[in-house]
Amino acid sequence: EAGVTQSPRYAVLQEGQAVSFWCDPISGHDTLYWYQQPRDQGPQLLVYFRDEAVIDNSQLPSDRFSAVRPKGTNSTLKIQSAKQGDTATYLCASSFWGEDTQYFGPGTRLLVL
Amino acid sequence: GDKVKQSPSALSLQEGTNSALRCNFSIAATTVQWFLQNPRGSLMNLFYLVPGTKENGRLKSAFDSKESYSTLHIRDAQLEDSGTYFCAADLGFASALTFGSGTKVIPCLP
Repeated sequence: EAGVTQSPRYAVLQEGQAVSFWCDPISGHDTLYWYQQPRDQGPQLLVYFRDEAVIDNSQLPSDRFSAVRPKGTNSTLKIQSAKQGDTATYLCASSFWGEDTQYFGPGTRLLVL
Repeated sequence: GDKVKQSPSALSLQEGTNSALRCNFSIAATTVQWFLQNPRGSLMNLFYLVPGTKENGRLKSAFDSKESYSTLHIRDAQLEDSGTYFCAADLGFASALTFGSGTKVIPCLP
């Protein structure tokens, strides 16, 4: 069974540039999560979906970050105008709704110069 | 403040020895997961726990919901056990996981 896949694996930007991250969850998983992991810290939830609906996006910096999951399968996380403070690894995870066992993708390492 | 506190923050791992990692929760947790993050950044699932204990090879984990803590024990440590261990708990916030800050396990060469 294929795991959670993410792309790209790395991104380097100048401040003010935009970037999109893509996630393909484990087949059949209806719940998808995006986490931000700054260096030497634990992952912190940004947003999560059940099918195509946003369940919680209260930790998403809404002025510059957006996330969609239009068909309830793949998801895209976009940063409109990146800042140096956005430098982190962005992790996607998926699970079945109501089960806490989350499976993580390899992450996208973002460096904003 | 930190809702999930992990200790120690770092640990030197000598082959063949035993180690213990701990997470304390400031509010009630319903379930706990333990992960190992390798140097490439991949998070590998180790345990998913409701209150109780689980064992897998040289690893053993316990979750006590009444006392609000979880432990991970490594027996007969090997170099391959190196990496950063995270615990994460369901604290009832939107049913997502709240992570600790990690325990970095570093091999201690003889």
